[in-house]
Amino acid sequence: QQQVKQSPQSLIVQKGGISIINCAYENTAFDYFPWYQQFPGKGPALLIAIRPDVSEKKEGRFTISFNKSAKQFSLHIMDSQPGDSATYFCAARSQGNLIFGKGTKLSVKP
Amino acid sequence: GAVVSQHPSWVICKSGTSVKIECRSLDFQATTMFWYRQFPKQSLMLMATSNEGSKATYEQGVEKDKFLINHASLTLSTLTVTSAHPEDSSFYICSASGGRASREQYFGPGTRLTVT
Repeated sequence: QQQVKQSPQSLIVQKGGISIINCAYENTAFDYFPWYQQFPGKGPALLIAIRPDVSEKKEGRFTISFNKSAKQFSLHIMDSQPGDSATYFCAARSQGNLIFGKGTKLSVKP
Repeated sequence: GAVVSQHPSWVICKSGTSVKIECRSLDFQATTMFWYRQFPKQSLMLMATSNEGSKATYEQGVEKDKFLINHASLTLSTLTVTSAHPEDSSFYICSASGGRASREQYFGPGTRLTVT
């Protein structure tokens, strides 16, 4: 019930394209859904986050879409750039603890 | 704001020795700190949660006598890996929340531990 399922495991996108990463969850007690970006050898950095009472949140080129009834949320990266190449983790929070998805390795080709 | 540091960034130790990793919140008071472990190309796995001045709460399967966590102040938590073995080699990441950071967790840069 605590699991967060993330897909795809890896993603290759051309520069300027849209990167889409999806996550699904089961536990309706989750109250906060952040996305993290992690570069090799570095800690994860908060990218964008959403609460379950909001269906969409946009910050610059990054957008979270949230479907409460389907228990799914996704990250869209518009105009993807080579500098966006990293591993992205979705997460869900319950009682203060974060449950992470398995991660998506994004490669943006120039 | 909400910066978390870790020290050291990498460490190599011999099997059987102990190693301490520090996690500091630089510009806020961290009432809660979290310790994660990450194997190569895998996700972050929560090891334990510590509240300042209290004993840490360990996740199932994490040996509390092997991974000693101390959260003695609002800006510092330490993880000590005791009697390290090669299988303890991993990337250890802390995060902190509290104060201005509220319930948001801010992550440190991680510590790469290699046990030879």
